[in-house]
Amino acid sequence: DAGVTQSPTHLIKTRGQHVTLRCSPISGHKSVSWYQQVLGQGPQFIFQYYEKEERGRGNFPDRFSARQFPNYSSELNVNALLLGDSALYLCASRRNNYNEQFFGPGTRLTVL
Amino acid sequence: SQQGEEDPQALSIQEGENATMNCSYKTSINNLQWYRQNSGRGLVHLILIRSNEREKHSGRLRVTLDTSKKSSSLLITASRAADTASYFCATDGGGGTSYGKLTFGQGTILTVHP
Repeated sequence: DAGVTQSPTHLIKTRGQHVTLRCSPISGHKSVSWYQQVLGQGPQFIFQYYEKEERGRGNFPDRFSARQFPNYSSELNVNALLLGDSALYLCASRRNNYNEQFFGPGTRLTVL
Repeated sequence: SQQGEEDPQALSIQEGENATMNCSYKTSINNLQWYRQNSGRGLVHLILIRSNEREKHSGRLRVTLDTSKKSSSLLITASRAADTASYFCATDGGGGTSYGKLTFGQGTILTVHP
């Protein structure tokens, strides 16, 4: 089975722009979570979606939004990009909230 | 905020030696997961240990969990140069406001010299 996939791999944007990151979970996984990892730190939780509903939100501004589609894939949107949004954005999926969470390869976002 | 705190922050050993990394956390958990990350790429899941388990093995990995001390340890035996990576513990609080959310520590950077 394919693992979690994310696109694009790398992205370069300028301040003020908008970005959309995409994630496809492992087949059969209904939960998708998004994390931001700044260089030298551990990942920070942004959102979790389960069965297409938002189930958790981390301490991120409203510029960050996400959604989950009927096929359980997900998008993370970030508006009005700031330099500090430069990071590795990780998507993770799990079958339910009691099992392992598996991560994709991430999208490296650079904001200039 | 980071719940898990890994110790040490960096560990340098020779191939064949054992590597032990520790993780402490603050609140109650449903389970604790260990991950490996190579050079800023995606996280590779290593092992999950549930709150009612005390020890778990997977190949050269051994994880312990002490919920009374709110701590866990990851032991890698007979290390290889390919084990060089950052290792993170992540706590899973389960239901309520932390439903399904993983909280990561800062990680331990392990370097294994050939």
